[in-house]
Amino acid sequence: ETGVTQSPTHLIKTRGQQVTLRCSSQSGHNTVSWYQQALGQGPQFIFQYYREEENGRGNFPPRFSGLQFPNYSSELNVNALELDDSALYLCASSLVGAGPNQETQYFGPGTRLLVL
Amino acid sequence: AQSVSQHNHHVILSEAASLELGCNYSYGGTVNLFWYVQYPGQHLQLLLKYFSGDPLVKGIKGFEAEFIKSKFSFNLRKPSVQWSDTAEYFCAVIEDYKLSFGAGTTVTVRA
Repeated sequence: ETGVTQSPTHLIKTRGQQVTLRCSSQSGHNTVSWYQQALGQGPQFIFQYYREEENGRGNFPPRFSGLQFPNYSSELNVNALELDDSALYLCASSLVGAGPNQETQYFGPGTRLLVL
Repeated sequence: AQSVSQHNHHVILSEAASLELGCNYSYGGTVNLFWYVQYPGQHLQLLLKYFSGDPLVKGIKGFEAEFIKSKFSFNLRKPSVQWSDTAEYFCAVIEDYKLSFGAGTTVTVRA
């Protein structure tokens, strides 16, 4: 167990709806990253939050947005859901500060989203 | 941006066989590399990581990986697998705080 928790574990939505996924970081970590893992593929980076600001973003449209709170927990929001958004959404927490690219990310169990 | 390729999509082994999974990253310079494992029904777990120093890195559960800069490779090995090693294995490189993962290798160990 990494200490990273996510909720809910499973979610079913219909196309066009909006969804919010939640993540609690491991104690002592200050950064949260979100990844999308489609079936049979490796996780794809969505974005990272550090000090409550977006610190980097992958190749995802603006309808994917996030927040980080003062306690370092985080939310991923997806608007106007599409069928292709069906995937496992992973949250990872880390401690940034050891140097560039020196962080180790620890993953939560994920939220499985199905869009019908 | 860095990318990672994993050569084997699915590997099937018998218990006690040796395992080697290939991983190549796209270009040189300073790279920091990881292997993660996803056991059935469980979350992604860190097996081992390479940041610098000894290119032979030892991880948990008897796994090791060798960083070969000249070949842009970071292959994962285990001398003798067990049934409990059945899982999906992901190689990843970190760049600008972003992890880029390979497509993964599914390893099935038959008892």
